[in-house]
Amino acid sequence: GDSVTQMEGPVTLSEEAFLTINCTYTATGYPSLFWYVQYPGEGLQLLLKATKADDKGSNKGFEATYRKETTSFHLEKGSVQVSDSAVYFCALSPGGGSQGNLIFGKGTKLSVKP
Amino acid sequence: EAQVTQNPRYLITVTGKKLTVTCSQNMNHEYMSWYRQDPGLGLRQIYYSMNVEVTDKGDVPEGYKVSRKEKRNFPLILESPSPNQTSLYFCASSLWGKQPQHFGDGTRLSIL
Repeated sequence: GDSVTQMEGPVTLSEEAFLTINCTYTATGYPSLFWYVQYPGEGLQLLLKATKADDKGSNKGFEATYRKETTSFHLEKGSVQVSDSAVYFCALSPGGGSQGNLIFGKGTKLSVKP
Repeated sequence: EAQVTQNPRYLITVTGKKLTVTCSQNMNHEYMSWYRQDPGLGLRQIYYSMNVEVTDKGDVPEGYKVSRKEKRNFPLILESPSPNQTSLYFCASSLWGKQPQHFGDGTRLSIL
């Protein structure tokens, strides 16, 4: 079945460091891909998305590119801030978003130190 | 304001005592879903609903029930809770066939 694998955490970085969180997926058909962020004590919020191969999603300085050849959707940010400390989830929606279901990775906790 | 509202936010209870976690959305979304979040396991889907009176099992439905009598509400029912259902629960909704899903703030359940 469809699945998402993301790098284990926790990840601890200093402010202004470069961030990469790896995410790979297994899916039949043409899934849509998402990054969600969960700040402490809150629900999940959509961070960015990409619906087809080579699409780049971006928001709040974060970026991820849908790479079909490597089945990857790695999250990057050039300079992290303390306020980016959160848990990040990679997710896919099977069938290009034609269904409502989301399949999540296990999450990666990011801590940014001043 | 568009939102998904869950209640209660926190609950400590005992094994076998029936409980209901409510979920309500004000966006007229057809699709609603329940997830549980456990350390090291991420989010796993419990049940989902594609519209009123239409529900289906997710990946971990055992021990849970749901109902969808109205479009805006999707309660999660634990008829006889057990300690292995101690978890953080999230309700989410979206337009059918569309993303993203909108999540509630979560309900932390502790079953003693």
